[in-house]
Amino acid sequence: EAGVAQSPRYKIIEKRQSVAFWCNPISGHATLYWYQQILGQGPKLLIQFQNNGVVDDSQLPKDRFSAERLKGVDSTLKIQPAKLEDSAVYLCASSSWASGGLDEQYFGPGTRLTVT
Amino acid sequence: AQRVTQPEKLLSVFKGAPVELKCNYSYSGSPELFWYVQYSRQRLQLLLRHISRESIKGFTADLNKGETSFHLKKPFAQEEDSAMYYCALRDTGFQKLVFGTGTRLLVSP
Repeated sequence: EAGVAQSPRYKIIEKRQSVAFWCNPISGHATLYWYQQILGQGPKLLIQFQNNGVVDDSQLPKDRFSAERLKGVDSTLKIQPAKLEDSAVYLCASSSWASGGLDEQYFGPGTRLTVT
Repeated sequence: AQRVTQPEKLLSVFKGAPVELKCNYSYSGSPELFWYVQYSRQRLQLLLRHISRESIKGFTADLNKGETSFHLKKPFAQEEDSAMYYCALRDTGFQKLVFGTGTRLLVSP
């Protein structure tokens, strides 16, 4: 089966500019996640969708970050305006429901964002 | 608060030596623990989970609730085991994953 797709793979922007990332999950996976991974740290969950509804966005900096999953399939994550500290790899993951809870998460290749 | 601690940033061993990557966690409920691995230029992927109690690529991990640990072990390391390893905890509520900071394993010939 095709894996989680993300684009672009790399992005360089100046601070105060805006940027958007796109994710296409594995077909049939109802749950989609966006993570931020800063160099030297583990992935940190930004937002979790169940179909097109938000399950958890407690760690999303809502003053500058937004995400949507309008039709319950593809998702976009936007940063506006970007700050230097937003430089990171942004990972998208998806999973399906199995008996007893969510199945394993499958990760995309990530988008490496550099803010100068 | 949920927290996962991986005390070693780098673990360097020779081929054939035993390996133990440490992971400690703090969680008030009954957690699910996972090990994820990222090989060079590849995606982050699941290695094993504690509920499966299985050995994957020779790696095993036992959940020790008394010590709140979930260390990853392999008796004889191989060069192809060189990778970044992340321990993760999943809460039983929202089912979100909390990751540790990762340990880079280098296996030298």
